[in-house]
Amino acid sequence: EAEVAQSPRYKITEKSQAVAFWCDPISGHATLYWYRQILGQGPELLVQFQDESVVDDSQLPKDRFSAERLKGVDSTLKIQPAELGDSAMYLCASSSSGRVNTEAFFGQGTRLTVV
Amino acid sequence: GENVEQHPSTLSVQEGDSAVIKCTYSDSASNYFPWYKQELGKRPQLIIDIRSNVGEKKDQRIAVTLNKTAKHFSLHITETQPEDSAVYFCAAYITGNQFYFGTGTSLTVIP
Repeated sequence: EAEVAQSPRYKITEKSQAVAFWCDPISGHATLYWYRQILGQGPELLVQFQDESVVDDSQLPKDRFSAERLKGVDSTLKIQPAELGDSAMYLCASSSSGRVNTEAFFGQGTRLTVV
Repeated sequence: GENVEQHPSTLSVQEGDSAVIKCTYSDSASNYFPWYKQELGKRPQLIIDIRSNVGEKKDQRIAVTLNKTAKHFSLHITETQPEDSAVYFCAAYITGNQFYFGTGTSLTVIP
């Protein structure tokens, strides 16, 4: 069964350092989402791509976060500089676009700890 | 944008009893409502979903109901088992838009 791949699974970084996460969606999925999930809460959207274009990045802290999906396939989320409050699970999800009941498939996530 | 509220935040039931989790949404344009189960340290996985043109859907011990007029939908788990223990998230989706998630319900099934 096809899965969304994410790496790394775990990342510990010092505050003020740069950190990057990678996501490879299910083949053929045009829509890619990056979500942040703080322990005990639901996922919150950071950025949504349709192919290589950003559809929604209104909740992305653009002073320190950036995301790209250059060829419309895999994607990278970067934080620079990392802050203590960035500690969370970063989930990538993908879905087919344009259909009503399109399921979002999630990757295993990257658990980030900023120390 | 859409706002999804989910209740309760925690729920404990005895094995064999039923569990009900409720969500409300604000945007009448939402037309797809999935439910995800997330076990500790694992990815959220879809367990059941419902489209806006359907009032109820059932899959073995799991069912979802949707009331479009009241803008709420519920997850029902019958004959609960210890392996049902997890965090459950509801979501609302508008075609071409994004998934808006509830804050999650931590379900504990007591053997």
